[in-house]
Amino acid sequence: NAGVTQTPKFQVLKTGQSMTLQCAQDMNHNSMYWYRQDPGMGLRLIYYSASEGTTDKGEVPNGYNVSRLNKREFSLRLESAAPSQTSVYFCASSRDRNSGANVLTFGAGSRLTVL
Amino acid sequence: EDQVTQSPEALRLQEGESSSLNCSYTVSGLRGLFWYRQDPGKGPEFLFTLYSAGEEKEKERLKATLTKKESFLHITAPKPEDSATYLCAVRSGYSTLTFGKGTMLLVSP
Repeated sequence: NAGVTQTPKFQVLKTGQSMTLQCAQDMNHNSMYWYRQDPGMGLRLIYYSASEGTTDKGEVPNGYNVSRLNKREFSLRLESAAPSQTSVYFCASSRDRNSGANVLTFGAGSRLTVL
Repeated sequence: EDQVTQSPEALRLQEGESSSLNCSYTVSGLRGLFWYRQDPGKGPEFLFTLYSAGEEKEKERLKATLTKKESFLHITAPKPEDSATYLCAVRSGYSTLTFGKGTMLLVSP
């Protein structure tokens, strides 16, 4: 049981380049999330998808776009990378965003460096 | 706006030396307080959910408690394998989780 799988694990970009982070879950969860984690800042929500076909902005959405491709997959795209987007990105999923428990299962993370 | 403050930022313990981590929160209508453990280079892993003041949950050497303003994660007789960053998060209404910055725990043999 793989849980939440993110690719790539590491990526180095030059300013202005674009890239897509991929995320897939095999737990039949309805909701999926993208977070970034920076030293001294904690985990901050970029975008989330409460269910297939819907996406919503989180706390720090600027410079990012997302696609909920199907129930399993949720991708994060950087159209024109900036050094401020250097971070560790985590994808997570939960059974249902509106349930009381709403326990998140996280992927292992993708470390992105923008030069 | 929900707010979560964790203290201390870092804590160093000797093996067997019990202590507590603090999570203070401000929310309008708590729908859950969550504790996660994060090992270096990995994603956070769920530990506990607490819903109401007075609730307690235990798992091995860890016990989480909740009051109306804060939560404590008590670590009894810690072992080196308990070394990790412990994250606290809250949820109010139908919002998404708000995380604290975490407490980095190091347990020395």
